Amino acid sequence: LAKTTQPISMDSYEGQEVNITCSHNNIATNDYITWYQQFPSQGPRFIIQGYKTKVTNEVASLFIPADRKSSTLSLPRVSLSDTAVYYCLVGDILYNQGGKLIFGQGTELSVKP
Amino acid sequence: GAGVSQSPSNKVTEKGKDVELRCDPISGHTALYWYRQSLGQGLEFLIYFQGNSAPDKSGLPSDRFSAERTGGSVSTLTIQRTQQEDSAVYLCASSSRDWDNSPLHFGNGTRLTVT
Repeated sequence: LAKTTQPISMDSYEGQEVNITCSHNNIATNDYITWYQQFPSQGPRFIIQGYKTKVTNEVASLFIPADRKSSTLSLPRVSLSDTAVYYCLVGDILYNQGGKLIFGQGTELSVKP
Repeated sequence: GAGVSQSPSNKVTEKGKDVELRCDPISGHTALYWYRQSLGQGLEFLIYFQGNSAPDKSGLPSDRFSAERTGGSVSTLTIQRTQQEDSAVYLCASSSRDWDNSPLHFGNGTRLTVT
């Protein structure tokens, strides 16, 4: 099972780009990388998912280098409402390696005015 | 459409009592997960169901914890003889396990307080 390591916390200001990097040195061939956002008193919410290279959607980009041992979530022009905890999850949902999807400790992002 | 629904949203119980937490996954989702989140902490994996079966129960914290899923839909997490350290938010998630590697869809959790 791939273990993930993220910074515990990050600070930013409105309008800046924020990059959060997750390390997953023992990622397996069938593993995907998924990022979630969690606000207080809510369950985590899916942001973006990828396998390799770059993925972009309407809210974020995900950069994955060729060796896949890390990934970077990029949030363009953050606002106060982006203040949340961000989790990187590495796992193989499709082929079900026991179904254990283990979340890391998450990164608490604080966006200031 | 409807998301993952968990009930109750809040539960206060006395130490030693049993509690049942319910999860209604998104219709058609075959995979169902239970996590526990203590105050200010990350998500602790408890158990996973594919259909009605749970291949690995080693994530359950003790033998006071059990979970079942019937009809490939609703799941119940039962905690017997609750202890104060069981106080946490219990989150349920479901996914479709389609070929495109469907992400997890979470409910908003049940906040359990053991007094």
